Amino acid sequence: QSALTQPGSVSGSPGQSITISCTGTSSDVGGYNFVSWYQQHPGRAPKLIIYDVSDRPSGISYRFSGSKSGNTASLTISGLQAEDEADYYCTSYTSSSTWVFGGGTKVTVL
Amino acid sequence: EVQLVESGGALVQPGGSLRLSCAASAFTFSSYTMHWVRQAPGKGLEWVSYINTIGTNIFYADSVKGRFTISRDNAKNSLFLQINSLRDDDTAVYYCARGLKSFDYWGQGTLVTVSA
Repeated sequence: QSALTQPGSVSGSPGQSITISCTGTSSDVGGYNFVSWYQQHPGRAPKLIIYDVSDRPSGISYRFSGSKSGNTASLTISGLQAEDEADYYCTSYTSSSTWVFGGGTKVTVL
Repeated sequence: EVQLVESGGALVQPGGSLRLSCAASAFTFSSYTMHWVRQAPGKGLEWVSYINTIGTNIFYADSVKGRFTISRDNAKNSLFLQINSLRDDDTAVYYCARGLKSFDYWGQGTLVTVSA
């Protein structure tokens, strides 16, 4: 399976909004509403922040939101804060009954 | 609070074998599907394997198929990953994660280093 495509890095100033894209195919992102997003700080385990394209787990800030159009999913972080500086990964269930991750996006808060 | 604790990581020579374990607590382990996900040093996440609640439905990434075996012991609240024919590119932190279509809880990972 080929990895989903994410931008290598995205940056923004505190208070701004940023969006991270995650592009796949009709066999993964486009075919299922099973896209999820993870935040990973250096040296830490990943943390689920969005599941099923746009749902937030309990305890996750409303500043994180997800959406999908065709074969591309997106994560938006609004009101960017210093603590949001981390790596972000998307993943999708696939038609092969497997899962595929994106390559990851490093978010920098300027 | 849900806890997943991996163990079994080590320095292993190419071609060697290793068995990783993941001890689960604070939830009904037998009711949840589980995954292994790995991360090579400085690299991104890679999904490795999935097992359903009773171990009858199992899937693997192409990169590990035929070399890795996932299993679980619901009586002992434990998940396992048997890794054979280790290669240099298997060097990674291996995480166990709970979930069906997404991974809602993760362990802290165990490091597998493959080197001569």
